[in-house]
Amino acid sequence: GAGVSQSPRYKVAKRGQDVALRCDPISGHVSLFWYQQALGQGPEFLTYFQNEAQLDKSGLPSDRFFAERPEGSVSTLKIQRTQQEDSAVYLCASSLAQGPYNEQFFGPGTRLTVL
Amino acid sequence: SQQGEEDPQALSIQEGENATMNCSYKTSINNLQWYRQNSGRGLVHLILIRSNEREKHSGRLRVTLDTSKKSSSLLITASRAADTASYFCAGNSGGSNYKLTFGKGTLLTVNP
Repeated sequence: GAGVSQSPRYKVAKRGQDVALRCDPISGHVSLFWYQQALGQGPEFLTYFQNEAQLDKSGLPSDRFFAERPEGSVSTLKIQRTQQEDSAVYLCASSLAQGPYNEQFFGPGTRLTVL
Repeated sequence: SQQGEEDPQALSIQEGENATMNCSYKTSINNLQWYRQNSGRGLVHLILIRSNEREKHSGRLRVTLDTSKKSSSLLITASRAADTASYFCAGNSGGSNYKLTFGKGTLLTVNP
């Protein structure tokens, strides 16, 4: 079946521009996660949704970052007034249910480059 | 912040050899997971070991967990060129039953 998909796969933005990154989780998956992966580093947690509720946004680096999942399926990560330090791969993951033993399935990521 | 630290940062071996990667973590965990990442397939879950388990096998993979030392190891036996990838450990911490905290990864290169 279809896995987690993300679009666009690559995004180049000029500093100061707003960007929107989309995630389509696996159908029926309740939990959705966003991670940020800088070059040469492991992914770092940004935010977590259970259905449409954003239960944890503790990893969002600044108030320029905003995520939503209004209908409990597709999610959008928005970054306002992008800065060069926002350049990274943004990974989305989904899992069937909440809980520590539910495997997270990752999408291919969106590579954001801010010039 | 990174939960785990993988060791070594990079490893190069010949096809057929075994590869061992280690991970040390900082806080108590519910479980520890290993992931593989390459450009072709993205980040893929390999194996999960619970905090009350000491060893787990899956195909050519063997994972151990020592909670007293806060460390885990991943052994890949009879490596193949297709195993070339970055390998990450990720801890699911006691304070959260959903958030994964990843290490920096080990880059494994398997030479044919």
